[in-house]
Amino acid sequence: GNSVTQMEGPVTLSEEAFLTINCTYTATGYPSLFWYVQYPGEGLQLLLKATKADDKGSNKGFEATYRKETTSFHLEKGSVQVSDSAVYFCALSLYMNYGGSQGNLIFGKGTKLSVKP
Amino acid sequence: DSGVTQTPKHLITATGQRVTLRCSPRSGDLSVYWYQQSLDQGLQFLIQYYNGEERAKGNILERFSAQQFPDLHSELNLSSLELGDSALYFCASSVAGVAGTGELFFGEGSRLTVL
Repeated sequence: GNSVTQMEGPVTLSEEAFLTINCTYTATGYPSLFWYVQYPGEGLQLLLKATKADDKGSNKGFEATYRKETTSFHLEKGSVQVSDSAVYFCALSLYMNYGGSQGNLIFGKGTKLSVKP
Repeated sequence: DSGVTQTPKHLITATGQRVTLRCSPRSGDLSVYWYQQSLDQGLQFLIQYYNGEERAKGNILERFSAQQFPDLHSELNLSSLELGDSALYFCASSVAGVAGTGELFFGEGSRLTVL
């Protein structure tokens, strides 16, 4: 079946450290890939996305590259800040490239990031 | 603020009871999605509605049902509640299906506690 696997957290880093959160997927067909972020007490919000192999999504200093050969979409940031403390979710959709009104996202279990000053 | 409104924010009830969670999507969004977030299962897709019709179904129990009304708001009904139903229930909306921008807009969730 279709699924997303993320590295387990929590991940604790010092401010200005380099961040990597691993994400791999299993999918039939050609999924689009996403990273969503959930700040404390809030709903999820889209951080970045990539719709085809070798695409790089980027936003707010975060980057992730769609690697079809390794079925991965690892999230990276060169220098984290305390304000980046949140739960990060990797997700896939099989419907985005086909149009229409059907579609849902399949999420990983989330990785909690804590950044200390 | 995502523009998606969920009520109630918190709900405490007893096993065997029935509750209704309500969601108002962003203005103009036709799709509504329901997700369940629990510590052990993560974020599980339950069901999607588009313009009043069911479009996709995930891991939704038979004890649960949902609908989307003509004004596009949606309700998730949970019945014969069990302790394991305690979770955070999220509603999300999008203009079309995920096939659009791929972006879902999430509400802040309804936290259900079953005692």
